[in-house]
Amino acid sequence: QVQLQESGPGLVKPSQTLSLTCTVSGGSISSGRYYWSWIRQPAGKGLEWIGRMYTSGNTNYNPSLKSRVTISVDASMTQFSLRLNSVTAADTAVYYCAREICSRGSCYFGRYFDLWGRGTLVTVSS
Amino acid sequence: QSVLTQPPSVSGAPGQRVTISCTGSSSNIGAGNDVHWYQHLPGTAPKLLIHGNNNRPSGVPDRFSGSKSATSASLAIAGLQADDEADYYCLSYDNSLSGAVFGGGTKLTVL
Repeated sequence: QVQLQESGPGLVKPSQTLSLTCTVSGGSISSGRYYWSWIRQPAGKGLEWIGRMYTSGNTNYNPSLKSRVTISVDASMTQFSLRLNSVTAADTAVYYCAREICSRGSCYFGRYFDLWGRGTLVTVSS
Repeated sequence: QSVLTQPPSVSGAPGQRVTISCTGSSSNIGAGNDVHWYQHLPGTAPKLLIHGNNNRPSGVPDRFSGSKSATSASLAIAGLQADDEADYYCLSYDNSLSGAVFGGGTKLTVL
């Protein structure tokens, strides 16, 4: 059974870079059926999609974060990572990694997240 | 402000039926993209309730149902139970953003 697990520092100073890793156990990122995404939830707020990557290395990012975000895959193809530059207090949130799949077997109908990690809290504070 | 609009809260007594709406636009739901629904409890991963507008994953009770029309969608929960109390989010794909968009979330209170 495939599971996702986020890991990384729980505290980041303002203006520095937030770095998180998602470990895929019981499976591989190389499966062409899926995309691999990061999502976050600030305290008291809703869910926000950050961005995704595909096995080819192609990426898409939320336009509101695009200038600061990088999502990449590890050479082992069992981990993918998130880097968010120049963080502020507004970036304090629970960060989730998730597996994304095409709806009804075709991306023509859009996509959804069928598997999530449990999330990790990242606080931006000096 | 979220791209998809949900009511901030709904409530109902045990055994009752409630619905949660999700309103989008011509670049997401109205563009033919499916709507999906999640149940979220604090400190846990969101749980997929409905995918592809009206499909339940294995293990999700048939008390949960989804529908979609034009630029909006709804989640219905019948026979409310105390453990249904949670936050509920809709999700779709936005062609303009080339990415996922969520509703702002609806807090369900079981009275």
